[in-house]
Amino acid sequence: DIQMTQSPSTLSASVGDRVTITCRASQSISDWLAWYQQNPGKAPKLLIYKASTLESGVPSRFSGSGSGTAFTLTISSLQPDDFATYYCKQYNSYSWTFGQGTKVEIK
Amino acid sequence: QVQLVQSGAEVKKPGASVKVSCKASGYTFSRYGISWVRQAPGQGLEWVGWISGYNGKTKLAQKLEGRATVTTDTSTSTAYMELRSLTFDDTAVYYCARDPLGAWGQGTLVTVSS
Repeated sequence: DIQMTQSPSTLSASVGDRVTITCRASQSISDWLAWYQQNPGKAPKLLIYKASTLESGVPSRFSGSGSGTAFTLTISSLQPDDFATYYCKQYNSYSWTFGQGTKVEIK
Repeated sequence: QVQLVQSGAEVKKPGASVKVSCKASGYTFSRYGISWVRQAPGQGLEWVGWISGYNGKTKLAQKLEGRATVTTDTSTSTAYMELRSLTFDDTAVYYCARDPLGAWGQGTLVTVSS
């Protein structure tokens, strides 16, 4: 099974900061990588798919990069709505694996 | 619009079974699979399993093989996830989601309590 390692687990930042979250796959997944944002009590919301494609309606301050085994999610200028938990997800085959999650907190 | 509506919260005793439903609308059910994901309180997301909306082919997380079953009723565009021999560790919100990047259901809280 493919394992996903996400870091950091917690990130403290201020409004306006540039934030980067990384995700590493245990084997190559090409670009079958998505990023989700989750707020408490809500289902995850898709931000990015195919490693770097922005989902419709998602602000352009979110961007993704990487391929193979190493991926990053970047928020260029953190906004108040962005304080949430973020997950990477590989969908290389008919199974998914999630990273452990990164909670972005207010500094 | 694409919508997945799940059944309501459940409280079960250890050793019992639970079956959660997920009714899809707004798209052709047979064209997409449905994945199930669970989230224990305060924890991350864990993939449970997948079923094809086309031919019923399934794939389950290794740790749940033997206890979990995923099925569909194509006549009602509904997917089901059944989990047997429940333990306290199965307490979680269970989500269905259209594979691979589609809408998610609202989640169903399954509580295992004696």
